[in-house]
Amino acid sequence: VRLVESGGGLVQPGGSLRLSCAASGFTFTNYWMHWVRQTPQKGLVWVSRITTDGSGGSGTLYADSVKGRFTISRDNAKNTLYLQMNSLRAEDTAVYYCARDNYGPDNWGPGTLVTVSS
Amino acid sequence: DIVMTQTPLSSPVTLGQPASISCRSSQSLVHSDGNTYLSWFQQRPGQPPRLLIYKVSNRISGVPDRFSGSGAGTDFTLKISRVEAEDVGVYYCMQATHFPPLTFGGGTKVEIK
Repeated sequence: VRLVESGGGLVQPGGSLRLSCAASGFTFTNYWMHWVRQTPQKGLVWVSRITTDGSGGSGTLYADSVKGRFTISRDNAKNTLYLQMNSLRAEDTAVYYCARDNYGPDNWGPGTLVTVSS
Repeated sequence: DIVMTQTPLSSPVTLGQPASISCRSSQSLVHSDGNTYLSWFQQRPGQPPRLLIYKVSNRISGVPDRFSGSGAGTDFTLKISRVEAEDVGVYYCMQATHFPPLTFGGGTKVEIK
């Protein structure tokens, strides 16, 4: 199982970023996927989850802190998970991990750093 | 949201000696399907979390048998029977029973004396 995030960087408050997570070594279409972020101050915080196709009322779920600003999606043909982050705030600064779901995250990528600062 | 409380914050251990980490949840983690979705992760410096144990006591393939998980309801424990140098890092518990959201403990740092 291999997960590799990309797309992090420095962005100004109010800006946008799109994170990607390339998956390999397993049948991507069979697994739900998560985004989890980590800061020294707040530790590990769950961000979002998507089902195998993202459809239905609970196909995508979000933490209250990002609801309405972040959008999780996936392209099963490309074995890739995404996180579109809009209206970014300083408190969104963190290392963002994608993780495969198996009764919770069982395999994690190395993470990508997002810094929101002017 | 379920609050996960870990103790101690830090655990200095002599090589070859045991270590124990406690995790307490603010509500029972028994799911309506009868399972208890409590996991333990290890995070070594500069690395992402690594799943060690799922559903309280099930070790992931490749995890040394010196790691064991136990507990029920709201109280859970991760034990390392004989700490080795490679075990240094931060350990987290996490619940998935009352999802969303997933919630993690604050972490326990295991270090060598």
